Amino acid sequence: GDSVTQMEGPVTLSEEAFLTINCTYTATGYPSLFWYVQYPGEGLQLLLKATKADDKGSNKGFEATYRKETTSFHLEKGSVQVSDSAVYFCAVPGGYNKLIFGAGTRLAVHP
Amino acid sequence: EAGVAQSPRYKIIEKRQSVAFWCNPISGHATLYWYQQILGQGPKLLIQFQNNGVVDDSQLPKDRFSAERLKGVDSTLKIQPAKLEDSAVYLCASSLGLLSSGNTIYFGEGSWLTVV
Repeated sequence: GDSVTQMEGPVTLSEEAFLTINCTYTATGYPSLFWYVQYPGEGLQLLLKATKADDKGSNKGFEATYRKETTSFHLEKGSVQVSDSAVYFCAVPGGYNKLIFGAGTRLAVHP
Repeated sequence: EAGVAQSPRYKIIEKRQSVAFWCNPISGHATLYWYQQILGQGPKLLIQFQNNGVVDDSQLPKDRFSAERLKGVDSTLKIQPAKLEDSAVYLCASSLGLLSSGNTIYFGEGSWLTVV
């Protein structure tokens, strides 16, 4: 069935460091792919998405490229800030019009 | 545009008690979802409605959980009786249309349940 595998956290970085959070998926066909972010005490917010292979989704300095050859959708940011500290979830559609989420990767950024 | 509204935000109950959560989706969104997020895990779908009909409730523990979406708008999720393992965040979400057509699922801030 459809599934998502994310790198385990926590990821701890200093401010201005480069961030990569790995995500691989199994799915039927070529679905849209999503990254959501959850700040402390809040619900999930859509961070970015890509709707077809080779598309790059981007938002708030974060980027992710839809790689069908490697079934991956890794999240990257060139220079993280303390305010980026949150839990990041990769998600893929599964079944009829619903999302299947990875386990989440906690990011902690220190000054 | 108003987002997905949920209440209450926080609830503490004793095991074997009951609790109900309410959700108001984004206006016009036909699909409504309830997800359960246990601490340290990703959200897991409990039930999915299309208008006022159930599309998927395969992961809903029907011996204790129930949900309804009367009139195809607001929804309530009820737990009775609650168990310790029901401690989680209950996330309501909604979507205008099909993900395959480029639509997005939008989440509320969640209802945080602690069962003691």
